[in-house]
Amino acid sequence: QVQLVESGGGVVQPGRPLGLFCAASGFSFSSYAMHWVRQAPGEGLEWVAVISDVGTNKYYADSVKGRFTISRDNSKSTLYLQMNSLRAEDTAVYYCARSVGYDSNGYWGRFDSWGQGTLLTVSS
Amino acid sequence: QSALTQPRSVSGSPGQSVSISCTGTSSDVGTYNYVSWYQQHPGKAPKLMIYDVSKRPSGVPDRFSGSKSGNTASLTISGLQAEDETDYYCCSYAGSYTYVFGSGTKVTVL
Repeated sequence: QVQLVESGGGVVQPGRPLGLFCAASGFSFSSYAMHWVRQAPGEGLEWVAVISDVGTNKYYADSVKGRFTISRDNSKSTLYLQMNSLRAEDTAVYYCARSVGYDSNGYWGRFDSWGQGTLLTVSS
Repeated sequence: QSALTQPRSVSGSPGQSVSISCTGTSSDVGTYNYVSWYQQHPGKAPKLMIYDVSKRPSGVPDRFSGSKSGNTASLTISGLQAEDETDYYCCSYAGSYTYVFGSGTKVTVL
């Protein structure tokens, strides 16, 4: 079965960097676009970034553009999120999610599988 | 990109129907038939309930249905059950390879 397991969260000071990881199993990782979605405590979901199946195309939400970098290693079935210049408002549970149903409009598809999330707290 | 607008809460008695609206703009919901709905229990990952406005993944009860008119999408839960009490989020493709989620709605079963 599809399994996505995030790790790397923790407490970090404002302005510092941190990397998140998402280990995938149970499916052909290199065949799917992958996303990061976050949820601040008590708040709603926010789409963060997407990376194409082979890693050549990457897109970001305006709120993280220039500070976060999404990447993947298909040989290790692992998704990454490198976060720099962290702010208090980046505090959230970060989920990795698989999407299916890509089409030529640039739509990556719906999020059909999610990890359990990893909590990042940005605080001094 | 601003979040799609959902009512903060809706409620209904067991067996009744409830609908959750999701209002966007002509740049997202109004243009693309790529609206999906997610159910999220506290402390759990979201679960896909509806995609492409009205399609249901296998395993999702047919009590859940989706529709769209103009810039507003809707999720309807018919025959409300106790286990339906939780949070629901809509999501739309927003063009330029990006997405926008709704603000979330808590469904309460009275």
